[in-house]
Amino acid sequence: SQQGEEDPQALSIQEGENATMNCSYKTSINNLQWYRQNSGRGLVHLILIRSNEREKHSGRLRVTLDTSKKSSSLLITASRAADTASYFCARDRDNAGNMLTFGGGTRLMVKP
Amino acid sequence: KAGVTQTPRYLIKTRGQQVTLSCSPISGHRSVSWYQQTPGQGLQFLFEYFSETQRNKGNFPGRFSGRQFSNSRSEMNVSTLELGDSALYLCASSLAGQGASGYTFGSGTRLTVV
Repeated sequence: SQQGEEDPQALSIQEGENATMNCSYKTSINNLQWYRQNSGRGLVHLILIRSNEREKHSGRLRVTLDTSKKSSSLLITASRAADTASYFCARDRDNAGNMLTFGGGTRLMVKP
Repeated sequence: KAGVTQTPRYLIKTRGQQVTLSCSPISGHRSVSWYQQTPGQGLQFLFEYFSETQRNKGNFPGRFSGRQFSNSRSEMNVSTLELGDSALYLCASSLAGQGASGYTFGSGTRLTVV
């Protein structure tokens, strides 16, 4: 079962608008990662934020992390039709090998 | 550099059969993890192998097993297939560390059990 919750579950916006997706988790993290998945294909790593970081940028992506609230958000600015995909947050476990715990994902549709 | 390669891409099996899926990680990556993705349960961790040893295991029955070879390639096996095993199976590779740079996923194997 998933240990993270994402909201909204689905988001539909127009091209050029910003998209914000939120992720909450229940236990401590080593880092939190965001992934994109296009139509049932593999996951693409977008950005990783460590537990001692509060904000990180990568191109049009901005991720924030609030460990006191156990939550993170992913902002995609100036969205494009090609951003249409499912977005997942994933918590990386501490010191116990490589294991990701995924949220349920947000399905983003960007209309041209 | 070549990405993570999973074979086959699609597979149809009958209940009760067994299946073996293969994953070749990025060259130099020693850790391979496996995930199951279904509409109902989402993405769930199956197991992780590092240097031919299973280092972590998710909450799946013993019908699900895996192994890793000396060249880091990994296989997972599901025996006595059930309809509920129909899923997209994804493998991910990472360097020896704790995935501090993120994981690289393959395109997955879509298994359908009929």
